[in-house]
Amino acid sequence: EAAVTQSPRSKVAVTGGKVTLSCHQTNNHDYMYWYRQDTGHGLRLIHYSYVADSTEKGDIPDGYKASRPSQENFSLILELASLSQTAVYFCASRDRHSQNTLYFGAGTRLSVL
Amino acid sequence: QQQVRQSSQSLTVWEGETAILNCSYENSAFDYFPWYQQFPGEGPALLIAIRSVSDKKEDGRFTIFFNKREKNLSLHIKDSQPGDSATYFCAATGSFNKLTFGAGTRLAVCP
Repeated sequence: EAAVTQSPRSKVAVTGGKVTLSCHQTNNHDYMYWYRQDTGHGLRLIHYSYVADSTEKGDIPDGYKASRPSQENFSLILELASLSQTAVYFCASRDRHSQNTLYFGAGTRLSVL
Repeated sequence: QQQVRQSSQSLTVWEGETAILNCSYENSAFDYFPWYQQFPGEGPALLIAIRSVSDKKEDGRFTIFFNKREKNLSLHIKDSQPGDSATYFCAATGSFNKLTFGAGTRLAVCP
C-alpha cells in the first residue's frame, strides 16, 4: 500500500508570511497532487505533477506554487499567506496504472492569522 | 461551477438501516466514478468505484447504482454500522485524469 507522508501535520502562519508544505511518497508513483479541503467545498485541486521537475495548475492555483524536485517529493508553497488560505491540505499520489486510485496523506491543518 | 454535486451535506441513520448517499454530475465526458471515505483526522481513502458502462457495482455492504441518462449515482450502505460513520465523497473523472470531488456527505450511524 502506498505511503504518503505530509509535514507538518499542523501549522500556524502569519498573514504575509511564507509557508511550505511538504509531501513524501515511498511507493514510486508518478503522479502527485495537492488538494485543499474546506467545509462545503469538498476537495479542490490546487496543483499536480506527472513527473519530477514539472508541475501543472489545478482548478484553484492562485496564491500557490508547487515544486516537484524528485519523484518522491512534492511541495506546496504559499509565498504570501492570506487568511483565505486557512484550510486542511491533502497530498495524494497515484500510479499511472491504478485506474485513478488516489492515495492520500493524513493532511496538514493550516491556520493563517 | 460545481461539476459534481452531493445532495446532502449530512445524513443520520440508525444502526442496521440502509444509508443512501446521492450524487449527480454535469460533464458527459466523465466515465469513472469513485467514492472515497474519510474518517476524522485522516485522508480520504478509496471505498468503491464504478465505470459508466455499468449500472451497478457491489462490494460487500456497499453498492453503487449508476444512471447515465440522468447523470446521477448513489451509494447504498446496507446494514449500516457505527463504524461507517464518516464523510463520503463522490468523485468523477474523464480522460483527462483529474478527479473532481463533490462537497461530501457526513454520515452518522446511531447505535
